[in-house]
Amino acid sequence: AQSVTQLGSHVSVSEGALVLLRCNYSSSVPPYLFWYVQYPNQGLQLLLKYTTGATLVKGINGFEAEFKKSETSFHLTKPSAHMSDAAEYFCAVILYNTDKLIFGTGTRLQVFP
Amino acid sequence: DAGVTQSPTHLIKTRGQQVTLRCSPKSGHDTVSWYQQALGQGPQFIFQYYEEEERQRGNFPDRFSGHQFPNYSSELNVNALLLGDSALYLCASSLSWGGPSYEQYFGPGTRLTVT
Repeated sequence: AQSVTQLGSHVSVSEGALVLLRCNYSSSVPPYLFWYVQYPNQGLQLLLKYTTGATLVKGINGFEAEFKKSETSFHLTKPSAHMSDAAEYFCAVILYNTDKLIFGTGTRLQVFP
Repeated sequence: DAGVTQSPTHLIKTRGQQVTLRCSPKSGHDTVSWYQQALGQGPQFIFQYYEEEERQRGNFPDRFSGHQFPNYSSELNVNALLLGDSALYLCASSLSWGGPSYEQYFGPGTRLTVT
């Protein structure tokens, strides 16, 4: 069955430090991959997505992610954290021929001054 | 351009009652999906509506039902509420012709508390 694993339910970084949020998927066929962000009391906002083509994907707010088929990973990074990046981040996949988003359990990012 | 809107924002119900949540999709979108997000969890897919019909369904019991109207808005109905139904219910809209890679736009959600 298709699943998504996010390693680390909580990640804390200092402002200006590198952000690395991990996501691994299980699928025999490369799926479409997404990262969403959820701020408190709000819905989900798409940060970036991978469908086909270039494996390094750039998103909004300075985030990027790299699709590595050999590692079945799609980790999210940002070179320099900002206080406003504090939120919950969800990795999600869609299998080809479906529209059903399958989410990981999320990673809460805290940014300290 | 209004995004996805949901109503009500918050709702408190008693076990055994029934509840209806509403969603208006982003302008121009024709497909609506519903997700349940329990506290501390990622959203779980409930079902998707397109052309007023349920097109896909997740692993949820028949107590969860829905409807889509000609204007593409949608309702989620839950019967015989259980304590475990307490969650944030998210609605997402998208374009059918965009395919699965097309972004799903999420509303702010309805927080349902069952006591």
